[in-house]
Amino acid sequence: GNSVTQMEGPVTLSEEAFLTINCTYTATGYPSLFWYVQYPGEGLQLLLKATKADDKGSNKGFEATYRKETTSFHLEKGSVQVSDSAVYFCALRGANAGKSTFGDGTTLTVKP
Amino acid sequence: DVKVTQSSRYLVKRTGEKVFLECVQDMDHENMFWYRQDPGLGLRLIYFSYDVKMKEKGDIPEGYSVSREKKERFSLILESASTNQTSMYLCASSLGGKNTEAFFGQGTRLTVV
Repeated sequence: GNSVTQMEGPVTLSEEAFLTINCTYTATGYPSLFWYVQYPGEGLQLLLKATKADDKGSNKGFEATYRKETTSFHLEKGSVQVSDSAVYFCALRGANAGKSTFGDGTTLTVKP
Repeated sequence: DVKVTQSSRYLVKRTGEKVFLECVQDMDHENMFWYRQDPGLGLRLIYFSYDVKMKEKGDIPEGYSVSREKKERFSLILESASTNQTSMYLCASSLGGKNTEAFFGQGTRLTVV
């Protein structure tokens, strides 16, 4: 079956540091890949997505590239802000699945 | 603006009570989902529905049931609430097709005492 493995947290960074959160996946066929973000006290919201190999998703300074050869979709941001403190979830959705498969989430705390 | 609305943000119920969690979406999505979120366990799928009156079990359906009588509404039912069902419950909806994302409600924090 499908699975998503995320870098374990929590991750604590200083403001303006570089962020990488690793995500690898196992899936049959060619899934679409997503990063969701959950701010404190809220539900998840889409951060970015990529629907085919070599696509790069980007939003709010975050980027992730769909790497089929390494089955990875790592999230990066060049300079984090305190307001980026949240839980980040990597997810995939396969061609024949109505549902998504989520990683366990990585908690990011950015300190001023 | 697209919206998934859960009926309560916070709920406190007693052990043995029948509990209804309601979710409504205004995007005409075919798929709707119920998850629970617990510290260290990520998101776990309880049930999902891909059409009116259709449902499928997720990873942890025990102790729960669902109802989808109208396309926009998906209800989660705890037949007899227990303390181990204390959790954050998240509803989501999506279109069919692998390229589309899920839209989530704000969550219901349920405490069973």
